[in-house]
Amino acid sequence: KAGVTQTPRYLIKTRGQQVTLSCSPISGHRSVSWYQQTPGQGLQFLFEYFSETQRNKGNFPGRFSGRQFSNSRSEMNVSTLELGDSALYLCASSSEVTEAFFGQGTRLTVV
Amino acid sequence: GDSVTQMEGPVTLSEEAFLTINCTYTATGYPSLFWYVQYPGEGLQLLLKATKADDKGSNKGFEATYRKETTSFHLEKGSVQVSDSAVYFCALSVRQGGFKTIFGAGTRLFVKA
Repeated sequence: KAGVTQTPRYLIKTRGQQVTLSCSPISGHRSVSWYQQTPGQGLQFLFEYFSETQRNKGNFPGRFSGRQFSNSRSEMNVSTLELGDSALYLCASSSEVTEAFFGQGTRLTVV
Repeated sequence: GDSVTQMEGPVTLSEEAFLTINCTYTATGYPSLFWYVQYPGEGLQLLLKATKADDKGSNKGFEATYRKETTSFHLEKGSVQVSDSAVYFCALSVRQGGFKTIFGAGTRLFVKA
């Protein structure tokens, strides 16, 4: 069974640009969550999607958005990038039970 | 709101030493509790879990018991190895509309040979 796949693994963007990250969940998992991991703030919850609907949202500005497609794949978008958005972005998928499986993450560097 | 507090690191131990990483939580309802491990350059891997009070999760020599009376889920291992060096995250998951997993700050463990 394939795991959670995140692409790309690494990205370098310039301040003010926007970026889209992709996450393919484990087959059969309909819930996809996104997290931001930084040395200073640790792991912070961004949002969770289930069957193409956002069910939960963390405390991030509106520049952070996401969506989920009918095949459960999810994308996360960050607009007007700031230096502070540099982080490891992790995606996790789960089924109807609570256990989450994580991808390897996308390392975003904003310069 | 719901939260997880775990002991700050880094924790440095010699090989074969006993490990305890403390974790306490605050939650409404009945959360499931987890320990995840993150090795350098990788995502998080589920280490063990417990879904109700008094459950004991165990894996690879690690154990943790869901203690509702003390709202704790401390991670223990009797004899650590160099390969256990990683960052350990305590987490809880609650159903709030959807499932929301909340993580502690993480504890970095260094094991010396």
